[in-house]
Amino acid sequence: AQSVSQHNHHVILSEAASLELGCNYSYGGTVNLFWYVQYPGQHLQLLLKYFSGDPLVKGIKGFEAEFIKSKFSFNLRKPSVQWSDTAEYFCAVTSSGGSYIPTFGRGTSLIVHP
Amino acid sequence: DGGITQSPKYLFRKEGQNVTLSCEQNLNHDAMYWYRQDPGQGLRLIYYSQIVNDFQKGDIAEGYSVSREKKESFPLTVTSAQKNPTAFYLCASSVQGAWETQYFGPGTRLLVL
Repeated sequence: AQSVSQHNHHVILSEAASLELGCNYSYGGTVNLFWYVQYPGQHLQLLLKYFSGDPLVKGIKGFEAEFIKSKFSFNLRKPSVQWSDTAEYFCAVTSSGGSYIPTFGRGTSLIVHP
Repeated sequence: DGGITQSPKYLFRKEGQNVTLSCEQNLNHDAMYWYRQDPGQGLRLIYYSQIVNDFQKGDIAEGYSVSREKKESFPLTVTSAQKNPTAFYLCASSVQGAWETQYFGPGTRLLVL
């Protein structure tokens, strides 16, 4: 069965700091990977996704994630965070041999101080 | 303006009471889902439906029931058998051919009195 681990549960940064949120999955076959974001009081929304091709994926608001197959990882990055990036971030995975329904990680709460 | 609506935003349940959470979408999506979100536990799948009049149990279906009589609607009933119903409930939908990419509603927070 597919599963996802997000090791950082709470992250606190100052504005302009660089961000990297860890995401590891456990499934040996072909996977699709996602990052979703939940801003305070807003809907959970898709930030970016990887299906195939270039392992470096760019999403909205300057976020990017890199799929490293050998490490079973899909870490989310942003070179310079803003106060408005304060949100909860969820990594998710689907797999060709598993389920098309995403399995979500536990989430990382990011607080950015102005 | 297409999207998913959930009502109510907050819902209070008394002991032994069944309550129903509404989810409506006008995206013409085929599949709909219910997730439960608890602090520090991410999203867990309760039920999903790929087509009208058909639905499947997710990972934590016990104490919940659903129906899918219309494509646009997928209500969730939290029954008295659900012993720990206090949580944030999220409804989502996706389209055939792109099942994996999900669109979420604003959520309903259920509290037990």
